[in-house]
Amino acid sequence: EPEVTQTPSHQVTQMGQEVILRCVPISNHLYFYWYRQILGQKVEFLVSFYNNEISEKSEIFDDQFSVERPDGSNFTLKIRSTKLEDSAMYFCASSDFGVGGGYEQYFGPGTRLTVT
Amino acid sequence: GEDVEQSLFLSVREGDSSVINCTYTDSSSTYLYWYKQEPGAGLQLLTYIFSNMDMKQDQRLTVLLNKKDKHLSLRIADTQTGDSAIYFCAESKEGGYQKVTFGIGTKLQVIP
Repeated sequence: EPEVTQTPSHQVTQMGQEVILRCVPISNHLYFYWYRQILGQKVEFLVSFYNNEISEKSEIFDDQFSVERPDGSNFTLKIRSTKLEDSAMYFCASSDFGVGGGYEQYFGPGTRLTVT
Repeated sequence: GEDVEQSLFLSVREGDSSVINCTYTDSSSTYLYWYKQEPGAGLQLLTYIFSNMDMKQDQRLTVLLNKKDKHLSLRIADTQTGDSAIYFCAESKEGGYQKVTFGIGTKLQVIP
């Protein structure tokens, strides 16, 4: 069964450093998403991406964040200057057109980002 | 804004039924979901229900929706140890690339 993959599974970085989290969505999907979950808190939407541009972003997704689909398979989240509060599990998801417009989102296993 | 609330923990004995409850605030929610997360794994969509339905059954899973009270429940019949996981209630609006809003997740512990 096709699945969303993410690398690395765990990333440790120092405050102020840039990190790139990578995702390979399901191959025929058209919509891509990033979510994050800070330990003990809810899974929060960050950004959605379609047709090579951002469709929607949350207030969390400020100028330190960017997304890119550099080729036909990868979808990346870049955090420019990491802060301690960026430590979280980051989930990538992708979806296609669903039945009746319900776009079922398939999630990857997540990348745990630890900022020290 | 959207908010989804659910209890943090549920413990049941193997073979019993589990019922996980959820409430949501946004009356314009069109799709309501249950996701499952096993340790070290991603969020797996178990089932979803449209807001114009009040029940959906899929093998051991039964989803009940009370739209008036904005209450969603997931019943797992004959709960097995393999059902131990975190279950997330979630909602989204209709159409397009809509974000999914999640609850905090209910940890289901199945006691053998």
